[in-house]
Amino acid sequence: AQSVTQLDSQVPVFEEAPVELRCNYSSSVSVYLFWYVQYPNQGLQLLLKYLSGSTLVKGINGFEAEFNKSQTSFHLRKPSVHISDTAEYFCAVTDFNKFYFGSGTKLNVKP
Amino acid sequence: DAGVIQSPRHEVTEMGQEVTLRCKPISGHDYLFWYRQTMMRGLELLIYFNNNVPIDDSGMPEDRFSAKMPNASFSTLKIQPSEPRDSAVYFCASSADRGLSNEQFFGPGTRLTVL
Repeated sequence: AQSVTQLDSQVPVFEEAPVELRCNYSSSVSVYLFWYVQYPNQGLQLLLKYLSGSTLVKGINGFEAEFNKSQTSFHLRKPSVHISDTAEYFCAVTDFNKFYFGSGTKLNVKP
Repeated sequence: DAGVIQSPRHEVTEMGQEVTLRCKPISGHDYLFWYRQTMMRGLELLIYFNNNVPIDDSGMPEDRFSAKMPNASFSTLKIQPSEPRDSAVYFCASSADRGLSNEQFFGPGTRLTVL
């Protein structure tokens, strides 16, 4: 079975600063990778996904992520965050049999 | 499309009572997922269906939990009897064919409190 590790449970950052949210998964077999965002009191929404092709994936709201197969990582980045990016971010992996979610990273953007 | 619909949005009940959570997936989606989210355990997949058939229920915590999908537009998650440790937010999500590579669309969740 897969496991997904989000090393940072909380990330505080000032507005307009860059941010990176880290995600590592356990297996190097073929997988699909996702980042979801959860705003307070809402369900999860897809930010971006990697299925194949270019290892740099661009998503909504200016976020991007880079798939690194050798390091089994899929870190999420944004060059300049806004207050509205304050939310919880989940990395997810599927090995075609099941979805596995990370424990989430709470991004707190301060003015 | 209205998205995934869940009801009720909030449920407060007493220990020992039966609880039924409801979900209407997006029309045309073949996959339906039930998740539970708690502070302690994060987001857990409980069960998922493909074309109304349960595919993997290994995440269902115990026999008190059961899920059904009688048709393509409706699913229920039932807890009987409920316990305080069942308190959580329960999400339903749906996805189009090849759901495991496609985006899952989440409902707003049902916040369950068992006293």
